Amino acid sequence: TQLLEQSPQFLSIQEGENLTVYCNSSSVFSSLQWYRQEPGEGPVLLVTVVTGGEVKKLKRLTFQFGDARKDSSLHITAAQPGDTGLYLCAGRLLWMKTSYDKVIFGPGTSLSVIP
Amino acid sequence: EPEVTQTPSHQVTQMGQEVILRCVPISNHLYFYWYRQILGQKVEFLVSFYNNEISEKSEIFDDQFSVERPDGSNFTLKIRSTKLEDSAMYFCASRDRGIFYEQYFGPGTRLTVT
Repeated sequence: TQLLEQSPQFLSIQEGENLTVYCNSSSVFSSLQWYRQEPGEGPVLLVTVVTGGEVKKLKRLTFQFGDARKDSSLHITAAQPGDTGLYLCAGRLLWMKTSYDKVIFGPGTSLSVIP
Repeated sequence: EPEVTQTPSHQVTQMGQEVILRCVPISNHLYFYWYRQILGQKVEFLVSFYNNEISEKSEIFDDQFSVERPDGSNFTLKIRSTKLEDSAMYFCASRDRGIFYEQYFGPGTRLTVT
């Protein structure tokens, strides 16, 4: 059973389209990060969300944290080929407070933006 | 902009051999990590390190694995006797003392065990 689930697993869209990917857990996050990973490279931190209902924008990317802090979404407006990559959510679940330093990663959404 | 660096970028080794993967975390960071990603699979936590000792490790991090911070800059992962299933990308990450656990990753070392 995945502690973090991401959907969809794969997404292929045309340049200029909008898209949303999701990260879900049955447990509450104390904090959640979104990363983007390109093939053969390390994950690159995009954003951290902490407060329930929080919305953060990074150019054409909008990140939202659910009110209950159990889910998050990433919306990309007018996708470009440079957005292609694996989008990972990661975070600490609140029940992990006795687990000193462990961050859990979701399986990722693989996005392909076709020119 | 400061970044995490890792060497080598690609390591090929024979089964049963020892390998040492090296990382230079961001200089003012205090917490260090190793993760593994088998091709096509998710990023898996291996170990975290703080104040010169392991703070947490996963079930993957068995007696064949060890970590060390031999000086003020390097952070290493040693696999004593490699197995075929150790073939993966290994990522080092570091973070500062912030409470939001924002980790910064290196570019990874691709380990191929033959």
